Amino acid sequence: DTGVSQDPRHKITKRGQNVTFRCDPISEHNRLYWYRQTLGQGPEFLTYFQNEAQLEKSRLLSDRFSAERPKGSFSTLEIQRTEQGDSAMYLCASTKGLAGSSYNEQFFGPGTRLTVL
Amino acid sequence: LAKTTQPISMDSYEGQEVNITCSHNNIATNDYITWYQQFPSQGPRFIIQGYKTKVTNEVASLFIPADRKSSTLSLPRVSLSDTAVYYCLVGDGNYGQNFVFGPGTRLSVLP
Repeated sequence: DTGVSQDPRHKITKRGQNVTFRCDPISEHNRLYWYRQTLGQGPEFLTYFQNEAQLEKSRLLSDRFSAERPKGSFSTLEIQRTEQGDSAMYLCASTKGLAGSSYNEQFFGPGTRLTVL
Repeated sequence: LAKTTQPISMDSYEGQEVNITCSHNNIATNDYITWYQQFPSQGPRFIIQGYKTKVTNEVASLFIPADRKSSTLSLPRVSLSDTAVYYCLVGDGNYGQNFVFGPGTRLSVLP
């Protein structure tokens, strides 16, 4: 257990429905990342926050995806109008890195596995 | 964007030392080399990070030659529980999109 929690652990939904995932990072961590991982591939970066500010989004990220981190604590990732291609493991990570390379040491949660039928 | 290349899979036996080499020919001056381990149905776990020469911690060693175009993760005396996927990444920590997980190396430790 890294101290990063995600909820729910599993989600099954029908195509076209909206889903929302929650991530609770380690409390003193200022950066929070979202990744998506499909079978046999490494995690793919989606977006990250520094405190409550969303500093970067993947150029490949569809506008159906939105993330928030109100008050710089927990974060939510919402997927609107889900598609079967959205089926994946969604991972959250956090770090308290102070600068530069220290941000590379990320603590990952267990992930939320999404299945879109 | 510094890309990395590593073997897709490796087999080893319990008690052996395992060395996984990663190529990163386009590594930038400010980039560090970071390795993660991932077990099935879990998030990746940070193993080790380095910039040049050799770094050692309680679980692994990282060897980086002077030109920094490659690196080698060394796992001493592996056990069955070291069976996992190992990812090599390069980045300076300032850009999320530049910190890229490739497909990794699937290490199988046999009894």
